[in-house]
Amino acid sequence: TQLLEQSPQFLSIQEGENLTVYCNSSSVFSSLQWYRQEPGEGPVLLVTVVTGGEVKKLKRLTFQFGDARKDSSLHITAAQPGDTGLYLCAGGVGAGKSTFGDGTTLTVKP
Amino acid sequence: DAGVIQSPRHEVTEMGQEVTLRCKPISGHNSLFWYRQTMMRGLELLIYFNNNVPIDDSGMPEDRFSAKMPNASFSTLKIQPSEPRDSAVYFCASSLQAESSYEQYFGPGTRLTVT
Repeated sequence: TQLLEQSPQFLSIQEGENLTVYCNSSSVFSSLQWYRQEPGEGPVLLVTVVTGGEVKKLKRLTFQFGDARKDSSLHITAAQPGDTGLYLCAGGVGAGKSTFGDGTTLTVKP
Repeated sequence: DAGVIQSPRHEVTEMGQEVTLRCKPISGHNSLFWYRQTMMRGLELLIYFNNNVPIDDSGMPEDRFSAKMPNASFSTLKIQPSEPRDSAVYFCASSLQAESSYEQYFGPGTRLTVT
């Protein structure tokens, strides 16, 4: 079973702070997705990383795929209350199927 | 463009009753996934279809759960009989399966409460 471990499980910070959350595995993934889920809604796709070492930026969010394609990180600069939510990473395990991590619950206080 | 549509958004039922959850995937997508999310277990894949055919149902908890996809634009997840431990949020997601594409688009979910 290919497992994705996310850390930290919970993170509570003040508006304006920077943060990094991690997604780690002992398995290699052909691609990895990050999703954000707000209360009462379904997960929303943020980004896909495919190439080892790849860095993608989405406004204040920076996503990095590890060189060995086993891990990924999400860095948020100057966090805002609107960034609050559950951040999930997911890795492809074949035939279109993905395995999801348990997520990091982020709370940004105004 | 319409995203994944799920109905109902909320369902409250009594133990032993039959529950049917419905999903309309994004037009043109050829894969459909049913997930269950709880605080204790996170997001669990129950079953997924490709081109309307069930590919992997290893996550279906037991025989009380069944899923169908009669055509490319509709799927149902049925629980009969329902039990309190089935209480969870059920998500449907769809994707356009390609060789290296695993991007999924989720519906808003159905919050099921079994009393």
